[in-house]
Amino acid sequence: AQKVTQAQTEISVVEKEDVTLDCVYETRDTTYYLFWYKQPPSGELVFLIRRNSFDEQNEISGRYSWNFQKSTSSFNFTITASQVVDSAVYFCALSEAADDKIIFGKGTRLHILP
Amino acid sequence: DTAVSQTPKYLVTQMGNDKSIKCEQNLGHDTMYWYKQDSKKFLKIMFSYNNKELIINETVPNRFSPKSPDKAHLNLHINSLELGDSAVYFCASTSSGAPLHFGNGTRLTVT
Repeated sequence: AQKVTQAQTEISVVEKEDVTLDCVYETRDTTYYLFWYKQPPSGELVFLIRRNSFDEQNEISGRYSWNFQKSTSSFNFTITASQVVDSAVYFCALSEAADDKIIFGKGTRLHILP
Repeated sequence: DTAVSQTPKYLVTQMGNDKSIKCEQNLGHDTMYWYKQDSKKFLKIMFSYNNKELIINETVPNRFSPKSPDKAHLNLHINSLELGDSAVYFCASTSSGAPLHFGNGTRLTVT
């Protein structure tokens, strides 16, 4: 069965620090997709990134970067030079190609302190 | 031109009542979902429909009944509301392997 673990429940850092949010997943499928979503205090769920299991290249988008490592079943998310606007709950999610079920980790609440 | 829209945004009701939440997507997606987010922010899948057919039903009480009149709509009807049903309910849609597009959520408060 598929599973996503975000071990960090809550993280607080001071603005401009770098921060990494961890995500570990379990799946028996060889083809799967990984996602990160952001939920700011306003409550909407914002898609950040999708990665398929055959693409282990790391990705960078501005201050955001993602490190996908199949060997450790991890898909970690780093925010560089954090800003107060990055304060949100961040969710990692997994879907297996065999079905359309997308399951979420329990989320990491990130506080960026001014 | 909202992609996934759900109504109402807020719903306050008393225990024992029956209520519905509506969801529509204009993205042409085949699959639609209902997720429940509790007070601890856990996002839990409830149902999924693919082209009007129920494909996922995650041990949700049968007081919850989804209905999909066509592939662009997935409504959620809840009978005999209980205090524990208070949560934010998110509708979402996707096509295979693509990211989920979420509605803005419906905050249900049962008093």
